[in-house]
Amino acid sequence: LAKTTQPISMDSYEGQEVNITCSHNNIATNDYITWYQQFPSQGPRFIIQGYKTKVTNEVASLFIPADRKSSTLSLPRVSLSDTAVYYCLVGVGTGANNLFFGTGTRLTVIP
Amino acid sequence: EAGVTQSPTHLIKTRGQQVTLRCSPISGHTSVYWYQQALGLGLQFLLWYDEGEERNRGNFPPRFSGRQFPNYSSELNVNALELEDSALYLCASSRIGFNTGELFFGEGSRLTVL
Repeated sequence: LAKTTQPISMDSYEGQEVNITCSHNNIATNDYITWYQQFPSQGPRFIIQGYKTKVTNEVASLFIPADRKSSTLSLPRVSLSDTAVYYCLVGVGTGANNLFFGTGTRLTVIP
Repeated sequence: EAGVTQSPTHLIKTRGQQVTLRCSPISGHTSVYWYQQALGLGLQFLLWYDEGEERNRGNFPPRFSGRQFPNYSSELNVNALELEDSALYLCASSRIGFNTGELFFGEGSRLTVL
């Protein structure tokens, strides 16, 4: 079962680029990597998903090395509103028990 | 398009009571997932329903149960409530059984057990 490890917390100043890395050494061939953002007392919100190399959308980039044993979520020029918990998720198919959200990374953006 | 809706948003129960939480998925989504999130902690997978069937279950005791109706809405039932059941219960839906797609979460039902 793929399990993820992330830093518990990170601090960043407004306007900086933030990179959050997730380790998933036991990722399976068919697993995709998905990142979610969660604000207090709200449900998580999908940010980005990828399988390999680099994926970019309007809010973030996801970098996945060739061995896929880790991934890095990159948030460009963070603002105070990006203060949230970020979860890395690895899973696929019918095995919803493989849906490990892990501990998440609490990002605090400082003015 | 309406998102995932959950009810009630907040409720207070006492130990030993029973509670039913409800979830309506996004139109067209057939899979519903339930998660428990205790205060300050991560999401713990509870149950996954698809096409009316329970597809998978997390590491929770049998007093946590649920069902999915023909219209794909779902209920989560918790019997014999304990203090540690106090948490935010989140429901999510997806288009099919989780594969590469994203989960769409509701705002949750916050349960307080006294």
